[in-house]
Amino acid sequence: DIQMTQSPSFVSASVGDRVTITCRASQGIGAWLAWYQQKTGEAPKVLISGASSLQSGVPSRFSGSGSGTDFSLTITSLQPDDFATYYCLQTKNFPYTFGQGTTLELK
Amino acid sequence: QVQLQESGPGLVKPSQTLSLTCTISGESISDGRYHWSWIRQHPEKGLEWIGYIYFNDNTYKNPSLESRLSISLDTSRNQFYLTLTSVTAADTAVYYCARVTTGYKHFDRWGPGLTVTVSS
Repeated sequence: DIQMTQSPSFVSASVGDRVTITCRASQGIGAWLAWYQQKTGEAPKVLISGASSLQSGVPSRFSGSGSGTDFSLTITSLQPDDFATYYCLQTKNFPYTFGQGTTLELK
Repeated sequence: QVQLQESGPGLVKPSQTLSLTCTISGESISDGRYHWSWIRQHPEKGLEWIGYIYFNDNTYKNPSLESRLSISLDTSRNQFYLTLTSVTAADTAVYYCARVTTGYKHFDRWGPGLTVTVSS
């Protein structure tokens, strides 16, 4: 299985901050990576697919980059609605695997 | 706008079989553009892909569950199903059904999730 390792696991930030979350794959996955946001009690919501394609309706302060084994999700100018848990997902190989999650907390 | 909704028991006894249904509205399950998937999330933990099914009955399952897992569909009901045998407390989780897009595959539509507890 491809292991997906996110860092950091927790991050404290303030409204208006810029935050970057990274995801590393245990082997190359090209651009077969998506990013999700999950709020407590809700299903995950896709933000980015194909490593860098912003989904329709997702604010432009979210951006994704990377290919191969190293990827990042950047949120510029954090808004109150952004405090949540973020996951990466690889769909290059079966079984599909998620990162362990990064919780973004209000400082 | 496609919507997915999970249904099934909230409580299952150990060693029994868990059966869940995902009902799709706003789109035909026979639409060849998509796969249909199950995902679960253990309490306070991360996400685990269970498997998916295509309209022609082709299935892809997580090897960690494959020996206990069945995924099927009914095009006339626009539903797909998960059956997991010999459940244990480790199968306690929120179970989601989701749509898998083509291209760079990802889960783009999710049901709200169903909490399943395995306990006697």
